[in-house]
Amino acid sequence: DIVMTQSPSSLAVSAGETVTINCKSSQSLLSSGNQKNYLAWYQQKPGQSPKLLIYLASTRESGVPDRFIGSGSGTDFTLTISSVQAEDLADYYCQQHYSYPLTFGSGTKLEIK
Amino acid sequence: EVKLVESGGGLVQPGRSLKLSCAASGFSFNDYWMGWVRQAPGKGLEWIGEINQDSSTINYTPSLKDKFTISRDNAQNTLYLQMSKLGSEDTAIYYCARVPYNNWGQGVMVTVSS
Repeated sequence: DIVMTQSPSSLAVSAGETVTINCKSSQSLLSSGNQKNYLAWYQQKPGQSPKLLIYLASTRESGVPDRFIGSGSGTDFTLTISSVQAEDLADYYCQQHYSYPLTFGSGTKLEIK
Repeated sequence: EVKLVESGGGLVQPGRSLKLSCAASGFSFNDYWMGWVRQAPGKGLEWIGEINQDSSTINYTPSLKDKFTISRDNAQNTLYLQMSKLGSEDTAIYYCARVPYNNWGQGVMVTVSS
């Protein structure tokens, strides 16, 4: 199984700051066939279902604000949230969909000071 | 509008079985892979498995493969999760989702306790 290691486990920032969440996979998520990275990011607000933010490492899902930016390739990926807003209070998860079984990172709790 | 509604959760005794349902609407159900994900209280997300359009391919996370069975009824636009030999470790919110996980249900709580 591919192990996804996320860091940090939690962080607290003030509104307007930029946040970086890291995700490292135990194997490369880059497909040699199409040069795409099979990595997704989800946001889960308190009491809600997860919401897909980013897929293929850097493609924003429809309707997701452009302050959410996914980057990285191979085994190292980053979710950057620029100019954090109070509504961004949530848990964030990375997930690899390169191979079965699909696996999630352990999550990052974002708190707003 | 895509809508996924889980049902069938509740309190179940250890060792018993339970079957969850996920009613889909707002899209052509038989065109999509569907999946199940769970979340234990206060914990992270755990992928359970997913099923293809005609049920010919079903993938599971290895640790649950012998306990859980995913199925679907395209005529009824419904996804199922049959769970057996339940233990306290299976206490969680269970979500169904349309692959590629861009639509999720609200989740259903399953509590395994005597």
